[in-house]
Amino acid sequence: GAGVSQSPSNKVTEKGKDVELRCDPISGHTALYWYRQSLGQGLEFLIYFQGNSAPDKSGLPSDRFSAERTGGSVSTLTIQRTQQEDSAVYLCASSVTGVDGYTFGSGTRLTVV
Amino acid sequence: KQEVTQIPAALSVPEGENLVLNCSFTDSAIYNLQWFRQDPGKGLTSLLLIQSSQREQTSGRLNASLDKSSGRSTLYIAASQPGDSATYLCAVGAYSGAGSYQLTFGKGTKLSVIP
Repeated sequence: GAGVSQSPSNKVTEKGKDVELRCDPISGHTALYWYRQSLGQGLEFLIYFQGNSAPDKSGLPSDRFSAERTGGSVSTLTIQRTQQEDSAVYLCASSVTGVDGYTFGSGTRLTVV
Repeated sequence: KQEVTQIPAALSVPEGENLVLNCSFTDSAIYNLQWFRQDPGKGLTSLLLIQSSQREQTSGRLNASLDKSSGRSTLYIAASQPGDSATYLCAVGAYSGAGSYQLTFGKGTKLSVIP
């Protein structure tokens, strides 16, 4: 596609439920990032995929968070047993090589009630 | 651990003024630096990318400079317009100890250009 696509754009879920957030990167981009942006805070790194290499999961805040990237393209971020502090905007970005300019999606706004 | 600071946190200027946004980082061992713009409720739009070997990059009314040794970058906006109102984010790209490339973001400067 022409840009990075994220779905859903908004998600309201009850505390304790699992959620899945989807990211479709630009075709041909080998690198994919997930970030979290909480109200009034900067962007927090979550996970980084680069080609066929093992992902860098060092930013995941707890074992309730996991992500996968199938076929080097679409990525899914899963949050299990959601908590209110998980409420944030989750942003996905991709780039051609991983060290060049990044294109961000519009994000998924997650609200845990 | 890399830390990125942006000053000021918010800035309000009248239309037509030239302005400078500041970004500082603690670890000078960087690969590159990017400036982004974020409009309310939207994702980030890349504005300029400066490689560590470069001193500046220009795009239209925007000019970004990089002084790696002092850990500073500035974004200069000439002849500001109301459409420039947004939050501007600085992101430093570097390789982590684990060997993966990571972007570390500042918290941004919220710019308001008053007509």
